[in-house]
Amino acid sequence: SAVISQKPSRDICQRGTSLTIQCQVDSQVTMMFWYRQQPGQSLTLIATANQGSEATYESGFVIDKFPISRPNLTFSTLTVSNMSPEDSSIYLCSGGTLGNEQYFGPGTRLTVT
Amino acid sequence: GESVGLHLPTLSVQEGDNSIINCAYSNSASDYFIWYKQESGKGPQFIIDIRSNMDKRQGQRVTVLLNKTVKHLSLQIAATQPGDSAVYFCAENASRNAGGTSYGKLTFGQGTILTVHP
Repeated sequence: SAVISQKPSRDICQRGTSLTIQCQVDSQVTMMFWYRQQPGQSLTLIATANQGSEATYESGFVIDKFPISRPNLTFSTLTVSNMSPEDSSIYLCSGGTLGNEQYFGPGTRLTVT
Repeated sequence: GESVGLHLPTLSVQEGDNSIINCAYSNSASDYFIWYKQESGKGPQFIIDIRSNMDKRQGQRVTVLLNKTVKHLSLQIAATQPGDSAVYFCAENASRNAGGTSYGKLTFGQGTILTVHP
């Protein structure tokens, strides 16, 4: 299994600002993903983080709002840009290998005021 | 688009009982399924997985059943304990899309809240 850590674990931000969330995996994984989870709801995939190239975004999510980097196989960042209260959510990263289990980080709880 | 849904959003059981959590999926191309447990304030925790070439897989106190004919997945927890109280999600993956391109993204169901009473 892979152990995934995220920083920060939580933050309170003002609207209009940006926050960058870091995700670190303890072993090399093929795939890394970023999800959003509203309180009491399921997980929604934001994008697939591709090593050394632009992320692949799901419908409803755009690069200008959620820029993602993945400079190597074990590290990725998600930025939530120009935040509004609607961006308040839990942001989760996951890692795994194609066709096999994915493991999740503990999540970053974001509150936008 | 494809979706994964659950029949029962909440489930309450007594300690020691067996629990069954159900999940329906709609993507016939899905060939890999995972059950996750999420406790309050934590990320989803991998419980057990199953591939489409199997009908049943057992772990420690947990069994996953897959019925591809009706696109149904279930998680059985034996001798449920208070520590099993959590939200349980099923997730499905089609390792190849219709165009034959490989990818590994998961589609999650809505979740079932399991409450175990001592």
